[in-house]
Amino acid sequence: DAGVTQSPTHLIKTRGQQVTLRCSPKSGHDTVSWYQQALGQGPQFIFQYYEEEERQRGNFPDRFSGHQFPNYSSELNVNALLLGDSALYLCASSLALLATDTQYFGPGTRLTVL
Amino acid sequence: AQTVTQSQPEMSVQEAETVTLSCTYDTSENNYYLFWYKQPPSRQMILVIRQEAYKQQNATENRFSVNFQKAAKSFSLKISDSQLGDTAMYFCAFMNRGGADGLTFGKGTHLIIQP
Repeated sequence: DAGVTQSPTHLIKTRGQQVTLRCSPKSGHDTVSWYQQALGQGPQFIFQYYEEEERQRGNFPDRFSGHQFPNYSSELNVNALLLGDSALYLCASSLALLATDTQYFGPGTRLTVL
Repeated sequence: AQTVTQSQPEMSVQEAETVTLSCTYDTSENNYYLFWYKQPPSRQMILVIRQEAYKQQNATENRFSVNFQKAAKSFSLKISDSQLGDTAMYFCAFMNRGGADGLTFGKGTHLIIQP
């Protein structure tokens, strides 16, 4: 049973550039949530995708956008990168039909903005 | 909006001891879920235990148990017979029923198990 996978593992970008991070959900899951975890902090909710639509968004600017594909995998795009975007980006998947909606996390992508 | 507070930035105990990590939260909702996640140096966030707010019985998973006090909005994690592999960051998290607005995390407690 494949767990949540994310790519790439690490990424280095410069200010102003754009980045795309990828996530494949756990087998059988249909919902993907993205989180940003700054150093020494707990993760913060960016947004959630279900049925290829953004279902809910946290307090993040429009520079952060996403997409979900028919196979439930997802991408997180960040435009006009700022130094403050340096963080660990976590993807979590869940099954919408289950009211408990427990989220299972991938290993994360470490983004460094120089 | 919900908030989650973990007041212990770091804790250190000897192997085989019992340790309790504290968590308080604030919400106006009545139906919600609470979680403890473990994040070792490998970065992978691992689910430790889950509690449904409508259940009065405290959740247990092997050496891990919680003390859920709904009226006090308190959700502590007890680790019994601690092991070296328990060394990690522990995050308390809140989620409304349905989960559409994601998990709200505390800032974490760094737990160190000493040999």
